Amino acid sequence: AQSVTQLDSHVSVSEGTPVLLRCNYSSSYSPSLFWYVQHPNKGLQLLLKYTSAATLVKGINGFEAEFKKSETSFHLTKPSAHMSDAAEYFCVVSEAAGGTSYGKLTFGQGTILTVHP
Amino acid sequence: GAGVSQSPRYKVAKRGQDVALRCDPISGHVSLFWYQQALGQGPEFLTYFQNEAQLDKSGLPSDRFFAERPEGSVSTLKIQRTQQEDSAVYLCASSQTGENEKLFFGSGTQLSVL
Repeated sequence: AQSVTQLDSHVSVSEGTPVLLRCNYSSSYSPSLFWYVQHPNKGLQLLLKYTSAATLVKGINGFEAEFKKSETSFHLTKPSAHMSDAAEYFCVVSEAAGGTSYGKLTFGQGTILTVHP
Repeated sequence: GAGVSQSPRYKVAKRGQDVALRCDPISGHVSLFWYQQALGQGPEFLTYFQNEAQLDKSGLPSDRFFAERPEGSVSTLKIQRTQQEDSAVYLCASSQTGENEKLFFGSGTQLSVL
C-alpha cells in the first residue's frame, strides 16, 4: 500500500524568501512521485514528477523537488516565493504495482502556502 | 476541447435525491479518472476507465456510486440516494495513456447534499 504525509498543513512565507513544503511517502514498490498545485476555483495542475531518473526534479514556475530514498522524502522547494505561488500544494504518489501504473494517484492532505508582501 | 470540462460546476441536492455529474475529457485521451475531494482533504481515487472499459472501481465508497463511459469519451458519475457524507468536490481527470502520464484535471463539481 502507498501513502503520503505532508508534514505541514499551512506554510507562510514572505515574498522573495525561500519556500519549503515537506512530504514523506510510503510505498511497497518503486514509486512515481508528483507535486500538484491547486489554485482556488481552478483544476489541479502538475508542477513536477519523479519517475526514477534524476533525483533532483525541476518543475514549472521555478519549483524543484529532491527524491531521497533513504529518507523516503520528496520535499518541494523554490528559492524565491512570488505572490502568485499562493495556493494549495499536494504531494502525490503513484505506485507501479505488478509492473504497471495507470495513474491511480494517492494524494497527501495538502499544504496551503500563503505568501505575504 | 482545450481542457477537461465538468458540469455542473455546483450542484445542490436534497438528501435522497439522485445526481449525475458529467465529465468531458480532452479529445483523444484514453484514460479517465474520477476523484472525490472532501473539504480540507486531498483528492481520493474513485474509479478509472481505459476507453469504455472500467478497469478499476475499487475507490467507489458504496453501491450507490456508479460511473460509466459508454463510448469511451464523455463520462458520467451517478450517485443514487445521496447522503450528507457525499458532499464533496468531484474531480475528473484524463490522460493520453494513463501510465504515469500527466493527468489533466477539470475544475470539479461541488456537490452539496442538504
